[in-house]
Amino acid sequence: GAVVSQHPSRVICKSGTSVKIECRSLDFQATTMFWYRQFPKQSLMLMATSNEGSKATYEQGVEKDKFLINHASLTLSTLTVTSAHPEDSSFYICSATTSGRTDTQYFGPGTRLTVL
Amino acid sequence: AQTVTQSQPEMSVQEAETVTLSCTYDTSESDYYLFWYKQPPSRQMILVIRQEAYKQQNATENRFSVNFQKAAKSFSLKISDSQLGDAAMYFCAYRSANQGGSEKLVFGKGTKLTVNP
Repeated sequence: GAVVSQHPSRVICKSGTSVKIECRSLDFQATTMFWYRQFPKQSLMLMATSNEGSKATYEQGVEKDKFLINHASLTLSTLTVTSAHPEDSSFYICSATTSGRTDTQYFGPGTRLTVL
Repeated sequence: AQTVTQSQPEMSVQEAETVTLSCTYDTSESDYYLFWYKQPPSRQMILVIRQEAYKQQNATENRFSVNFQKAAKSFSLKISDSQLGDAAMYFCAYRSANQGGSEKLVFGKGTKLTVNP
């Protein structure tokens, strides 16, 4: 149980375009979803926390107008990287918690974004 | 603010042997959760083990066990009978359990484990 999927697994886009990444909880309802960014050989950096039906809470230094997060249902959250630039190239990971166990985050497989 | 420190950037172990990964943390809270996550080359984060701070008994999951020393703020992971598939980056993480506390995970920088055949 507690499976989280992400789509796409890899995406390559041109500079200036927008990219949407989906995060889905497949077998549970996710009360809270988290979005992380991970640079090579580094730990995960939390970008934002989102609860279904409410605005995401962004970490300090994360541009909310650039990284749009929508948590429209209890099983889906999306991250849209707007006007992407090469420095946005990274590995993006989502995670989710269940209402039954809010203390444990279950992670998606990640999305590798490359901006040319 | 809470911090998590993993002092071993890299560790190696022979297949079938035992290895211990270190983790220390700093917090003023009395109730919290501690986790070890594994990130293999696929980069999928996998929960290895979870410990509730109010429980004195060390958590165990098959070949994985922890040595939780609350007073020392230490949370080491022991992997017994190491297998090639255990090779991965291991992250120690902390989460507050206080009512109204943060839901965020605070991660250490990770320890890269190599398993030698």
